Amino acid sequence: KQEVTQIPAALSVPEGENLVLNCSFTDSAIYNLQWFRQDPGKGLTSLLLIQSSQREQTSGRLNASLDKSSGRSTLYIAASQPGDSATYLCAADMRFGAGTRLTVKP
Amino acid sequence: EAEVAQSPRYKITEKSQAVAFWCDPISGHATLYWYRQILGQGPELLVQFQDESVVDDSQLPKDRFSAERLKGVDSTLKIQPAELGDSAMYLCASSLEGFSGGARDEQFFGPGTRLTVL
Repeated sequence: KQEVTQIPAALSVPEGENLVLNCSFTDSAIYNLQWFRQDPGKGLTSLLLIQSSQREQTSGRLNASLDKSSGRSTLYIAASQPGDSATYLCAADMRFGAGTRLTVKP
Repeated sequence: EAEVAQSPRYKITEKSQAVAFWCDPISGHATLYWYRQILGQGPELLVQFQDESVVDDSQLPKDRFSAERLKGVDSTLKIQPAELGDSAMYLCASSLEGFSGGARDEQFFGPGTRLTVL
Protein backbone atom coordinates (compact mmCIF):
# COMPACT_ATOMS: atom_id res chain seq x y z
CA LYS A 1 0.00 0.00 0.00
CA GLN A 2 1.35 3.39 -1.03
CA GLU A 3 2.28 5.68 1.86
CA VAL A 4 3.02 9.36 1.26
CA THR A 5 4.85 11.54 3.78
CA GLN A 6 5.42 15.28 3.70
CA ILE A 7 8.07 16.96 5.79
CA PRO A 8 8.00 19.43 7.43
CA ALA A 9 4.38 19.58 8.60
CA ALA A 10 4.67 23.36 8.93
CA LEU A 11 7.12 25.96 7.70
CA SER A 12 7.40 29.70 8.31
CA VAL A 13 9.72 31.86 6.20
CA PRO A 14 10.27 35.57 5.57
CA GLU A 15 9.10 37.04 2.30
CA GLY A 16 11.57 36.68 -0.57
CA GLU A 17 13.14 33.45 0.63
CA ASN A 18 13.53 30.46 -1.66
CA LEU A 19 12.18 27.25 -0.13
CA VAL A 20 11.83 23.52 -0.73
CA LEU A 21 8.95 21.27 0.29
CA ASN A 22 9.51 17.54 0.45
CA CYS A 23 7.32 14.59 -0.46
CA SER A 24 8.30 10.94 -0.10
CA PHE A 25 6.43 7.83 -1.20
CA THR A 26 7.00 4.16 -0.50
CA ASP A 27 6.04 2.52 -3.80
CA SER A 28 8.15 3.75 -6.73
CA ALA A 29 5.78 2.20 -9.30
CA ILE A 30 3.73 5.37 -9.67
CA TYR A 31 2.15 6.77 -12.81
CA ASN A 32 2.33 10.39 -11.79
CA LEU A 33 2.90 12.80 -8.93
CA GLN A 34 0.83 15.94 -8.55
CA TRP A 35 1.35 18.96 -6.31
CA PHE A 36 -1.63 20.94 -5.03
CA ARG A 37 -2.26 24.06 -3.02
CA GLN A 38 -5.12 24.29 -0.52
CA ASP A 39 -6.28 27.48 1.16
CA PRO A 40 -8.16 27.18 4.49
CA GLY A 41 -11.63 25.71 4.04
CA LYS A 42 -11.23 25.49 0.25
CA GLY A 43 -10.75 22.84 -2.37
CA LEU A 44 -7.43 21.88 -3.95
CA THR A 45 -5.78 23.84 -6.75
CA SER A 46 -3.50 21.88 -9.06
CA LEU A 47 0.00 23.34 -9.29
CA LEU A 48 2.15 20.86 -11.18
CA LEU A 49 1.81 17.34 -12.57
CA ILE A 50 4.84 15.15 -13.22
CA GLN A 51 4.33 11.97 -15.22
CA SER A 52 6.42 8.94 -14.28
CA SER A 53 8.58 9.36 -17.38
CA GLN A 54 9.44 12.96 -16.48
CA ARG A 55 12.00 14.33 -14.04
CA GLU A 56 10.66 17.82 -13.44
CA GLN A 57 8.03 20.41 -14.30
CA THR A 58 8.10 24.18 -14.00
CA SER A 59 5.42 26.83 -13.76
CA GLY A 60 6.40 30.40 -13.01
CA ARG A 61 8.17 30.48 -9.63
CA LEU A 62 7.43 26.81 -8.98
CA ASN A 63 9.58 23.84 -9.92
CA ALA A 64 8.79 20.26 -9.02
CA SER A 65 11.17 17.33 -9.39
CA LEU A 66 10.58 13.60 -9.27
CA ASP A 67 13.03 10.85 -8.38
CA LYS A 68 11.17 7.56 -8.53
CA SER A 69 14.17 5.46 -7.57
CA SER A 70 14.49 7.19 -4.21
CA GLY A 71 10.74 7.72 -3.78
CA ARG A 72 11.02 11.48 -3.50
CA SER A 73 9.61 14.64 -4.99
CA THR A 74 10.43 18.22 -4.13
CA LEU A 75 8.56 21.44 -4.77
CA TYR A 76 10.80 24.48 -5.06
CA ILE A 77 9.24 27.92 -4.58
CA ALA A 78 11.39 30.86 -5.62
CA ALA A 79 11.13 34.34 -4.12
CA SER A 80 8.26 33.46 -1.79
CA GLN A 81 5.41 35.94 -1.27
CA PRO A 82 2.75 36.29 1.47
CA GLY A 83 0.18 35.12 -1.10
CA ASP A 84 1.98 31.77 -1.23
CA SER A 85 0.79 31.05 2.32
CA ALA A 86 -1.32 27.88 2.13
CA THR A 87 -1.09 24.14 2.68
CA TYR A 88 0.80 22.28 -0.05
CA LEU A 89 -0.15 18.67 -0.73
CA CYS A 90 1.46 16.07 -2.91
CA ALA A 91 -0.31 13.03 -4.34
CA ALA A 92 1.41 9.92 -5.69
CA ASP A 93 -1.23 8.69 -8.14
CA MET A 94 -4.33 9.12 -5.91
CA ARG A 95 -2.62 8.76 -2.53
CA PHE A 96 -2.11 12.05 -0.64
CA GLY A 97 0.29 13.18 2.03
CA ALA A 98 -0.93 15.23 5.00
CA GLY A 99 0.55 18.42 3.56
CA THR A 100 2.98 21.15 4.58
CA ARG A 101 1.43 24.32 5.98
CA LEU A 102 3.46 27.24 4.65
CA THR A 103 3.41 30.74 6.13
CA VAL A 104 5.29 33.52 4.35
CA LYS A 105 5.73 36.56 6.59
CA PRO A 106 5.83 40.07 5.09
CA GLU B 1 -12.69 28.66 -17.06
CA ALA B 2 -14.27 25.23 -16.56
CA GLU B 3 -14.66 24.16 -12.95
CA VAL B 4 -15.92 21.26 -10.91
CA ALA B 5 -19.16 22.21 -9.16
CA GLN B 6 -20.28 20.85 -5.81
CA SER B 7 -23.33 21.44 -3.65
CA PRO B 8 -24.13 22.13 -0.95
CA ARG B 9 -21.03 23.95 0.26
CA TYR B 10 -21.94 23.35 3.88
CA LYS B 11 -24.19 20.77 5.54
CA ILE B 12 -25.06 20.34 9.19
CA THR B 13 -26.99 17.24 10.17
CA GLU B 14 -27.74 15.13 13.20
CA LYS B 15 -26.39 11.63 13.57
CA SER B 16 -28.57 8.88 12.09
CA GLN B 17 -29.90 11.26 9.42
CA ALA B 18 -29.29 10.82 5.70
CA VAL B 19 -27.19 13.30 3.72
CA ALA B 20 -26.39 13.63 0.03
CA PHE B 21 -23.73 15.55 -1.87
CA TRP B 22 -23.78 16.45 -5.55
CA CYS B 23 -20.90 16.93 -7.98
CA ASP B 24 -20.82 18.13 -11.59
CA PRO B 25 -17.40 17.52 -13.18
CA ILE B 26 -15.73 19.57 -15.89
CA SER B 27 -17.56 18.99 -19.15
CA GLY B 28 -16.10 16.08 -21.10
CA HIS B 29 -14.21 14.58 -18.18
CA ALA B 30 -14.74 10.85 -18.11
CA THR B 31 -13.27 10.17 -14.70
CA LEU B 32 -14.80 11.36 -11.42
CA TYR B 33 -13.42 10.93 -7.91
CA TRP B 34 -14.91 11.39 -4.45
CA TYR B 35 -12.51 12.05 -1.58
CA ARG B 36 -12.97 12.61 2.15
CA GLN B 37 -10.62 14.96 3.96
CA ILE B 38 -10.50 15.00 7.75
CA LEU B 39 -9.15 18.23 9.26
CA GLY B 40 -5.36 18.23 9.29
CA GLN B 41 -5.05 15.25 6.96
CA GLY B 42 -4.74 14.73 3.23
CA PRO B 43 -7.73 13.64 1.12
CA GLU B 44 -8.56 9.94 1.07
CA LEU B 45 -10.09 8.40 -2.05
CA LEU B 46 -13.56 6.96 -1.47
CA VAL B 47 -14.67 6.05 -4.99
CA GLN B 48 -13.55 6.49 -8.59
CA PHE B 49 -15.85 6.37 -11.61
CA GLN B 50 -14.89 5.88 -15.24
CA ASP B 51 -17.94 7.17 -17.11
CA GLU B 52 -20.83 5.50 -15.24
CA SER B 53 -18.82 2.53 -13.93
CA VAL B 54 -17.16 2.22 -10.54
CA VAL B 55 -13.48 1.34 -10.99
CA ASP B 56 -12.36 1.65 -7.37
CA ASP B 57 -14.51 1.75 -4.23
CA SER B 58 -12.21 -0.23 -1.98
CA GLN B 59 -12.13 2.52 0.68
CA LEU B 60 -15.86 3.30 0.59
CA PRO B 61 -17.67 2.22 3.80
CA LYS B 62 -20.37 0.40 1.91
CA ASP B 63 -22.56 -0.25 4.93
CA ARG B 64 -23.49 3.43 5.04
CA PHE B 65 -22.02 5.14 1.97
CA SER B 66 -23.23 4.88 -1.61
CA ALA B 67 -22.26 6.67 -4.80
CA GLU B 68 -23.73 6.79 -8.26
CA ARG B 69 -23.05 8.39 -11.62
CA LEU B 70 -26.01 7.14 -13.59
CA LYS B 71 -25.48 8.93 -16.91
CA GLY B 72 -21.74 9.23 -16.66
CA VAL B 73 -21.88 12.96 -16.01
CA ASP B 74 -22.83 14.28 -12.55
CA SER B 75 -22.62 12.20 -9.41
CA THR B 76 -24.20 11.86 -5.98
CA LEU B 77 -22.56 10.60 -2.79
CA LYS B 78 -24.93 9.55 -0.01
CA ILE B 79 -24.41 8.72 3.66
CA GLN B 80 -27.14 6.91 5.57
CA PRO B 81 -27.12 6.99 8.52
CA ALA B 82 -24.57 9.71 9.27
CA GLU B 83 -22.25 9.19 12.25
CA LEU B 84 -20.24 11.70 14.26
CA GLY B 85 -17.02 10.44 12.68
CA ASP B 86 -18.28 11.37 9.22
CA SER B 87 -17.67 15.07 9.92
CA ALA B 88 -15.18 16.09 7.24
CA MET B 89 -14.74 17.88 3.92
CA TYR B 90 -16.04 15.87 0.98
CA LEU B 91 -14.20 16.71 -2.21
CA CYS B 92 -15.05 15.84 -5.78
CA ALA B 93 -12.47 15.83 -8.56
CA SER B 94 -12.48 15.02 -12.25
CA SER B 95 -9.94 14.24 -14.94
CA LEU B 96 -10.17 13.94 -18.69
CA GLU B 97 -9.44 10.24 -19.09
CA GLY B 98 -8.18 9.00 -15.72
CA PHE B 99 -5.74 6.36 -16.80
CA SER B 100 -4.71 5.62 -20.37
CA GLY B 101 -1.56 4.84 -22.27
CA GLY B 102 0.36 4.12 -19.09
CA ALA B 103 -0.23 7.59 -17.71
CA ARG B 104 -2.63 9.07 -15.21
CA ASP B 105 -3.85 12.55 -16.04
CA GLU B 106 -4.31 15.71 -14.01
CA GLN B 107 -7.07 15.92 -11.42
CA PHE B 108 -9.13 19.07 -10.91
CA PHE B 109 -10.95 19.60 -7.65
CA GLY B 110 -14.19 21.30 -6.71
CA PRO B 111 -14.65 23.58 -3.67
CA GLY B 112 -15.85 20.73 -1.44
CA THR B 113 -18.78 20.18 0.93
CA ARG B 114 -18.07 20.70 4.62
CA LEU B 115 -20.18 18.19 6.61
CA THR B 116 -20.78 18.57 10.33
CA VAL B 117 -22.58 15.76 12.13
CA LEU B 118 -24.01 16.68 15.54
